[in-house]
Amino acid sequence: EVQLVESGGGLVQPGGSLRLSCAASGFTFSNYAMHWVRQAPGKGLEYISAITSNGGSTSYADSVKGRFTISRDNSQNTLSLQLGSLRTEDTAVYYCARGGNYDYWGQGTLVTVSS
Amino acid sequence: DVVMTQSPLSLPVTLGQPASISCRSSQSLVYSDGNTYLNWFQQRPGQSPRRLIYKVSNRDSGVPDRFSGSGSGTDFTLKISRVEAEDVGVYYCMQGTYWPRTFGQGTKLEIK
Repeated sequence: EVQLVESGGGLVQPGGSLRLSCAASGFTFSNYAMHWVRQAPGKGLEYISAITSNGGSTSYADSVKGRFTISRDNSQNTLSLQLGSLRTEDTAVYYCARGGNYDYWGQGTLVTVSS
Repeated sequence: DVVMTQSPLSLPVTLGQPASISCRSSQSLVYSDGNTYLNWFQQRPGQSPRRLIYKVSNRDSGVPDRFSGSGSGTDFTLKISRVEAEDVGVYYCMQGTYWPRTFGQGTKLEIK
């Protein structure tokens, strides 16, 4: 059974940093590109970042470019997202999703940016 | 970025009646490989999104056959043949053809 489990969310002050993780199981992690998608409270879904299956290429939404860094460890079946220079508008549930067309999603982890 | 526009944004439906959601993209979603990467997702209250339909009309495993997708180019439709109580939630279309991936605004389906 495919499982994606996010962790690392929490309350952080504006300007702060946080590292999110997504633990994958039930499939060959190294065969799939992975994405991060977020959802602000009461709002829709927003693509944030993606990484190719071997980690060789990454992409970011303009809203987070230069502040967030995506990475992966295929030996540990783990996807990560380093969040930096956080703003109040980054408050959201962050989901990891498998592949370029999001066939599986995690349960999400809530990041709250507030003073 | 490709803009995805859904309508309606709110959809009250009587149990057992059909429902239809429209999704339009600002440019054709046909990829160079000939496929059209248009997906539909369901997000029930308090849950993560779940993919229902991929490449316009293909149902994901476990998705009831009352859900169907159709369309081409820039115009797409998700149809529910007979709405059940468990279908309450928000439905999103998403294009997987271009970078960045973009979603529609979401359509909130409720029982009348």
